[in-house]
Amino acid sequence: DIVVTQSPDSLAVSLGERATINCKSSQSVFYSSNSKNYLAWYQQKPGQPPKLLIYWASTRESGVPDRFSGSGSGTDFTLTISSLQAEDVAVYYCQQYYNTPITFGPGTKVDV
Amino acid sequence: EVQLVESGGGLVQPGGSLRLSCAASGFTVSSKYMNWVRQAPGKGLEWVSAIFSSGNTDYADSVKGRFTISRDNSKNTLYLHMNSLRVEDTAVYYCAREAARYFDLWGRGTLVTVSS
Repeated sequence: DIVVTQSPDSLAVSLGERATINCKSSQSVFYSSNSKNYLAWYQQKPGQPPKLLIYWASTRESGVPDRFSGSGSGTDFTLTISSLQAEDVAVYYCQQYYNTPITFGPGTKVDV
Repeated sequence: EVQLVESGGGLVQPGGSLRLSCAASGFTVSSKYMNWVRQAPGKGLEWVSAIFSSGNTDYADSVKGRFTISRDNSKNTLYLHMNSLRVEDTAVYYCAREAARYFDLWGRGTLVTVSS
């Protein structure tokens, strides 16, 4: 199984400041035949289901604010919130879908 | 409206059985890959099972042989039949629709508690 790790476990960021979350997979999730990274990011607020933010490592889901961006390739990825808003307080998960079983990172809690 | 609504959770004793349902609206379950993902209290997300448009299925090792995923096309509903339940199966179970093995639509979840 591909193991996915995230860092940090939690972080506190001032409103309007940048938040950066890292995600690392135990093997590459880059598929050379289509040049895609099989990596997604989700946001989960308390008492709610996860919400898809980013897929293919850097493609923003429709309706997601452009302050959210994803980057990286191979085994190392980053989710950046360029200017943290109060409504961004949540736990963020990355997920690899290169191999089965699909696996998630342990989550990063973002607070103000 | 495109949505997923889970039901069927509850309290069950270890070794017991439960069937979860996920009613879909706004799209056809049989044309999509559909999944169950669970989240133990205060913990992260764990993929449980998938059923593909072909009808083929896949399971996490932790539930293989105990859980069965199925769908009823006439009711546009996904199911998870859970047998031989263990304390460690306690979780919120989410139904999730796949786009391309990532999940673009989630239900609100149903809580399963396995306890004596």
